[in-house]
Amino acid sequence: QSALTQPPSASGSPGQSVTISCTGTSNDVGGYNYVSWYQQHPGKAPKLMIYEVTKRPSGVPDRFSGSKSGNTASLTVSGLQTEDEADYYCISYVGTNNLVFGGGTKLTVL
Amino acid sequence: QVQLQESGPGLVKPSETLSLTCSVSGNSVITDNYYWSWIRQPPGKGLEWIGYISYSGSTNYNPSLRSRLTISVDTSKNQFSLRLRSVTAADTAVYYCARVDITIFGVLNLIDFWGQGTLVTVSS
Repeated sequence: QSALTQPPSASGSPGQSVTISCTGTSNDVGGYNYVSWYQQHPGKAPKLMIYEVTKRPSGVPDRFSGSKSGNTASLTVSGLQTEDEADYYCISYVGTNNLVFGGGTKLTVL
Repeated sequence: QVQLQESGPGLVKPSETLSLTCSVSGNSVITDNYYWSWIRQPPGKGLEWIGYISYSGSTNYNPSLRSRLTISVDTSKNQFSLRLRSVTAADTAVYYCARVDITIFGVLNLIDFWGQGTLVTVSS
């Protein structure tokens, strides 16, 4: 299966909102509500931020939210903080009992 | 608290076999609620799905690696392992082991726990 498409980069100033997209097909993002988002700081393992499109694990700030429309899922970070600067990856269930990954987006807080 | 820890050589010669083990604590690998997976990340690049195994030994591999890959589980040691044969420089990456949550319908849902990752360099 092909990787999910994410923009290579995104940016925003502290306090602003930024949205990162994750585009797939009807076989993955569009076909299932099993899209999750991960934050990765340099040299660290990824951390789960959003699962099942819109749900936040305990401990993740409510500044992070997820949504989906058609074959595109989105992660929105509101009230940007400097510690939000990181790489973000989306992952979707793709049927055949497998997962497909996005290429990652580097979020810069200006 | 669930913890996963990768171990294995940090340097492998081209054409040889890369072998890594993931030790799991805080959760038995004998569970129908999770699969145990490997994911890698080449330096400066994105994440790549390698594959996963259930406690019963059922596996699912990335098609691009399937011909060289074996993932196994040792329930007595609460560990699972990765063997990647005939490696090249393109296999140089940070290798993560991770736990994949499965829904009640058996669908792969999310990756909730990750190891810290181990860098494996393929070089002579």
